[in-house]
Parts: sequence; structure tokens; C-alpha cells
Amino acid sequence: AQSVTQLGSHVSVSEGALVLLRCNYSSSVPPYLFWYVQYPNQGLQLLLKYTSAATLVKGINGFEAEFKKSETSFHLTKPSAHMSDAAEYFCAVRNSGNTPLVFGKGTRLSVIA
Amino acid sequence: EADIYQTPRYLVIGTGKKITLECSQTMGHDKMYWYQQDPGMELHLIHYSYGVNSTEKGDLSSESTVSRIRTEHFPLTLESARPSHTSQYLCASSDPRNTEAFFGQGTRLTVV
Repeated sequence: AQSVTQLGSHVSVSEGALVLLRCNYSSSVPPYLFWYVQYPNQGLQLLLKYTSAATLVKGINGFEAEFKKSETSFHLTKPSAHMSDAAEYFCAVRNSGNTPLVFGKGTRLSVIA
Repeated sequence: EADIYQTPRYLVIGTGKKITLECSQTMGHDKMYWYQQDPGMELHLIHYSYGVNSTEKGDLSSESTVSRIRTEHFPLTLESARPSHTSQYLCASSDPRNTEAFFGQGTRLTVV
């Protein structure tokens, strides 16, 4: 069975500071991993994805994530937070088979001026 | 650019009414999904489909039903709405390689 754990339901950073959102996964087979962002009253937008190619994945809006198999982690980072980054972030996993995405509980990112 | 549409965006309806939430995609995706999301909470898979005439229940028990008569259309129906159905409903579809999912804008349902 697949599962995703996002550590911290709410993360607050200052504008210009490093953003680090944590995600650990559980999968019995090599996973596909995703980070999505959700702005208020909107659907989910894909930030980046890992599909067994390069372990360091670059996404939109300056975000990136690194797949670490030994740690079963896929943490999301951004060097410098911007006010517009304030949103809900979801990590998701799918194994290489024919299964739907499984989402974590989400982390709300607040950016303080 | 994802082309998946949900209507209505917002709906307030009385208890006991029958409602259908519409979801359509123009990408030709075989796989489609419905997720339920309470405000600020995680997404729960309630239904999915891997093609025409194929529907499956998801991880979260739901009193809703779905149909998949056409590839592009995956409506969700509540026969008798209750206040406990108040939530946001997100529709998604995934590409042929079934990697990422593309999401609609969501329907925020309030049952009074």
C-alpha cells in the first residue's frame, strides 16, 4: 500500500527565507512522486514530479525537490520565499502500476512580510 | 495547459435535493477521478474510472454515484443531498502514461 506523510500542517516563513516542506512516502515499488499547490478556492496545480529520471527535480515558480530513496523522502524547497507562494501544498505518490494518486494531508505555507 | 472543467463552481442546495456535479475534459484521457476535500484538509478519493463503462469506488465511502458513458464526461450524482455532503469536490484526469493528474477548479457544495 502507498501512503504519504507530510510533516507539519502549517509552515510559516519570512519573505526571502528558505522554504522547506517535508514529505515522506511509503511504497512497495518504485514510486512516482508529485508536489501540487492549491490556492484558495482553486483546484490543484502541478509544481513538479519525479518519475525515476533525475533525483533532483526542478518545477515551476522556483521550487525543486530531491528524491532520496534511502530516506524515502521527497522534500520541497525554494531558496527565497515570495508572498505569492502562500498556499496549500500537497505531496502525492503513485506506484508504477495502474493506481490513482494518494495524497498527503497537505501543508499550509504562510509567508510573512 | 490542462483542459478540465467543472460546473457549477459553487452550489447551495437544500436537504433532500438531487444534484449532479459536472466534469468534462477535452484531453482524451481515459482515467478520471473524483476527490472530496473539506476546507483546509486532505483529499480523499471517492470514485475513479479507467475508461468508458468503468467505475470504481475510492478509499472514502461516499453516498454519491458516478457514470462514464463518454470518455470526456464523468458526472457525480447525489440522489438526496444532506448537510454532511457539504464539501469541495475536485475532478481530475490523468494522461495515458498515468503519471500526473490534471485537476479542475472544483465545485464547492453547501447543503442547507
